[in-house]
Amino acid sequence: DAKTTQPTSMDCAEGRAANLPCNHSTISGNEYVYWYRQIHSQGPQYIIHGLKNNETNEMASLIITEDRKSSTLILPHATLRDTAVYYCIVTGAGSYQLTFGKGTKLSVIP
Amino acid sequence: DVKVTQSSRYLVKRTGEKVFLECVQDMDHENMFWYRQDPGLGLRLIYFSYDVKMKEKGDIPEGYSVSREKKERFSLILESASTNQTSMYLCASSLIFSPEEQDTQYFGPGTRLTVL
Repeated sequence: DAKTTQPTSMDCAEGRAANLPCNHSTISGNEYVYWYRQIHSQGPQYIIHGLKNNETNEMASLIITEDRKSSTLILPHATLRDTAVYYCIVTGAGSYQLTFGKGTKLSVIP
Repeated sequence: DVKVTQSSRYLVKRTGEKVFLECVQDMDHENMFWYRQDPGLGLRLIYFSYDVKMKEKGDIPEGYSVSREKKERFSLILESASTNQTSMYLCASSLIFSPEEQDTQYFGPGTRLTVL
């Protein structure tokens, strides 16, 4: 069973905020939400992760709902270089396994 | 910044050849991983290592072996390459391995292997 559900694709205008949603309704209390992205023909790149609280770093912000059943990755000012497949992953403490689903293909449009 | 490098971006080998894929990380990470990525199947874990000379099988270890003689280097070996091992191979590393904590994996650029 898929642990996360993401839209297949999204478009975003260059310079605007990109908001990528993820549903993880069966998340457990000790499971983290991770976001990675993969630009074509490259290895996945770590973006951000969180447990309960909202998180922000130099790349993005992560908003997790209070019930933790969904989250949103926000790229505040999308550029053409942000065009990639974005993966939302739920993984537990002590787990070495990252299960990448199909992700969301984000296209940033000039 | 964490840097994970892989020996080749593209590799073409013939069926039956022995293939070595090398991965090096420069952040003194304890854990290293080998995945393969295929269209429609996502990333699948082949092997991982949590210490020098220690290894654990992942989901699809058949046809592969690994070697970790030094902390920074993790090698994936295809003993006798077959066409169904044509894939993108990704190496990753992470700092810790603890039942209480989750750790971030950092990936290399990938090696696209074609077996003819």
